[in-house]
Amino acid sequence: DQQVKQNSPSLSVQEGRISILNCDYTNSMFDYFLWYKKYPAEGPTFLISISSIKDKNEDGRFTVFLNKSAKHLSLHIVPSQPGDSAVYFCAASAASRDDKIIFGKGTRLHILP
Amino acid sequence: NAGVTQTPKFQVLKTGQSMTLQCAQDMNHNSMYWYRQDPGMGLRLIYYSASEGTTDKGEVPNGYNVSRLNKREFSLRLESAAPSQTSVYFCASTALGGVNTEAFFGQGTRLTVV
Repeated sequence: DQQVKQNSPSLSVQEGRISILNCDYTNSMFDYFLWYKKYPAEGPTFLISISSIKDKNEDGRFTVFLNKSAKHLSLHIVPSQPGDSAVYFCAASAASRDDKIIFGKGTRLHILP
Repeated sequence: NAGVTQTPKFQVLKTGQSMTLQCAQDMNHNSMYWYRQDPGMGLRLIYYSASEGTTDKGEVPNGYNVSRLNKREFSLRLESAAPSQTSVYFCASTALGGVNTEAFFGQGTRLTVV
């Protein structure tokens, strides 16, 4: 059973607009959440993270929002740029239990000119 | 600073052959991971190691074995490769497991089993 779900396989957004990528999780023990970006033929690279004690974390153009009651998080990219075209993975861990980091299936983001 | 290094980058195996994927990190990280990436399936955890001498199963451990040789190295072995193990394999490491820290990934090993 999937513990981290990214239900949108792909998303297309106009350059300059806001990109919103969504992620849901089922394990209430998860207490740390991360977003990774992946280009073809490369390993994933860390983008931004959020602890369960917060509901928002911002880093430049990237903001992650966490809604614990809904077990939902989202990544906002604004403004979207051509270099943002990539696959984005949501990940979660339950640090109090073990060292596992579980990933979702990813969302492919296309930034349109 | 190389980060996480995986070898080989590409490999073709015949069904039933065995091989070991190597991974080494030079960041003095405690935790190491092996993932596989398949189309439409995202990154699935095969095995992980919280520290030298310990290993634990992830989401899809069947058909694989691992060895945490020392703090730097974490290898993944396929004893009898099957076409279903055709995938891109990624090794990763973190300083303190999932605790408030990011994972660093290698460049991946593209494995084809024919």
